[in-house]
Amino acid sequence: TQLLEQSPQFLSIQEGENLTVYCNSSSVFSSLQWYRQEPGEGPVLLVTVVTGGEVKKLKRLTFQFGDARKDSSLHITAAQPGDTGLYLCAGPTTGNQFYFGTGTSLTVIP
Amino acid sequence: NAGVMQNPRHLVRRRGQEARLRCSPMKGHSHVYWYRQLPEEGLKFMVYLQKENIIDESGMPKERFSAEFPKEGPSILRIQQVVRGDSAAYFCASSGPGQGTYGYTFGSGTRLTVV
Repeated sequence: TQLLEQSPQFLSIQEGENLTVYCNSSSVFSSLQWYRQEPGEGPVLLVTVVTGGEVKKLKRLTFQFGDARKDSSLHITAAQPGDTGLYLCAGPTTGNQFYFGTGTSLTVIP
Repeated sequence: NAGVMQNPRHLVRRRGQEARLRCSPMKGHSHVYWYRQLPEEGLKFMVYLQKENIIDESGMPKERFSAEFPKEGPSILRIQQVVRGDSAAYFCASSGPGQGTYGYTFGSGTRLTVV
């Protein structure tokens, strides 16, 4: 079973601070996705990383895929209250399904 | 609205009743996936369907749960004789052919409460 572990589980920071959350596995993934889920809503796809070592930027969010394609990180610069949410990483399994991590719940305090 | 549409958003059922959850995929998407999210747990795959075909139901409980995606109309996830443990958020996602491996578009979910 491919397992995606996310850390930290909970994170509460002040507006303007930087943060990094992690997604780790002992298995190699062909790609990893990051989603953000707000309370009462479905997850929204933020990015897909495919190549080992790849770095993608989405405004203040920087996503990195590990060289060995076993891990990924999400760095947020100057966090804003609108960044509050549950951040999920996911990777494809051998079928047409994704395995999701349990997420990092981020709260940005104004 | 070209997004994935799920209804109802909230559903309350008494133990033993049936729950029917509906999902209309994005326009042009022919692949539908159902996931369940339990409190304090991650999203768990249930079933993958294409029009008129169940492709992978490995994540679906063998009893009481069924899913369909007819030629016309939305995909339906059906839970018979619901129990309290079925209380969860159920999400539907869709993708086009060959696009699913790069991520999904999810609907807003149906929150099922069994009382």
